[in-house]
Amino acid sequence: GAGVSQSPRYKVAKRGQDVALRCDPISGHVSLFWYQQALGQGPEFLTYFQNEAQLDKSGLPSDRFFAERPEGSVSTLKIQRTQQEDSAVYLCASSTKRLAGFPGSTDTQYFGPGTRLTVL
Amino acid sequence: AQSVTQLDSHVSVSEGTPVLLRCNYSSSYSPSLFWYVQHPNKGLQLLLKYTSAATLVKGINGFEAEFKKSETSFHLTKPSAHMSDAAEYFCVVSSGGGADGLTFGKGTHLIIQP
Repeated sequence: GAGVSQSPRYKVAKRGQDVALRCDPISGHVSLFWYQQALGQGPEFLTYFQNEAQLDKSGLPSDRFFAERPEGSVSTLKIQRTQQEDSAVYLCASSTKRLAGFPGSTDTQYFGPGTRLTVL
Repeated sequence: AQSVTQLDSHVSVSEGTPVLLRCNYSSSYSPSLFWYVQHPNKGLQLLLKYTSAATLVKGINGFEAEFKKSETSFHLTKPSAHMSDAAEYFCVVSSGGGADGLTFGKGTHLIIQP
């Protein structure tokens, strides 16, 4: 079956513009994650959904970042008033389920190709 | 809290020789540990994962890793490197105890010399 897809693959924005990044998870996957990967660094967690509920947004760097998953499938990460430090690759991942509070029960996360955001 | 330290930012080996990528972790809970590989302009691909079953984990493309609790290590090895192994490798930990996302190391860039 199809993997995780993300669009657009590349986005160039002028500082101050709003952007919206889309993620289509693997069909049937309950959990969806967003990560930010700066150049030369490992991905860093931004936020997590279980179905349509956003259960963790502790990694969002500022209130300019907003994510939603209204129908429990496709998710959108929105960045308002973009700044140069927002330039990064934004990765989406999905997994079948997550048993919160059960150590070691994490299901494998499958990653999309990412969206490379460049803010000029 | 959980964290991952990849001890080498770059590793260079000759084709056909063994590969060793080192990773140490810390976690407040019994962790799940993963190795992911990222080829240029491609998505992250899971190589293998440890989730408290056998301590020696076999993955794809001939890679394997051994979980050593006493040393808090999860090093990645391969007996014989291939040119196609050149990529960025990430050691990843997930504790499951309230921290929902994965915690990635900074990555090790594997270079394969012909």
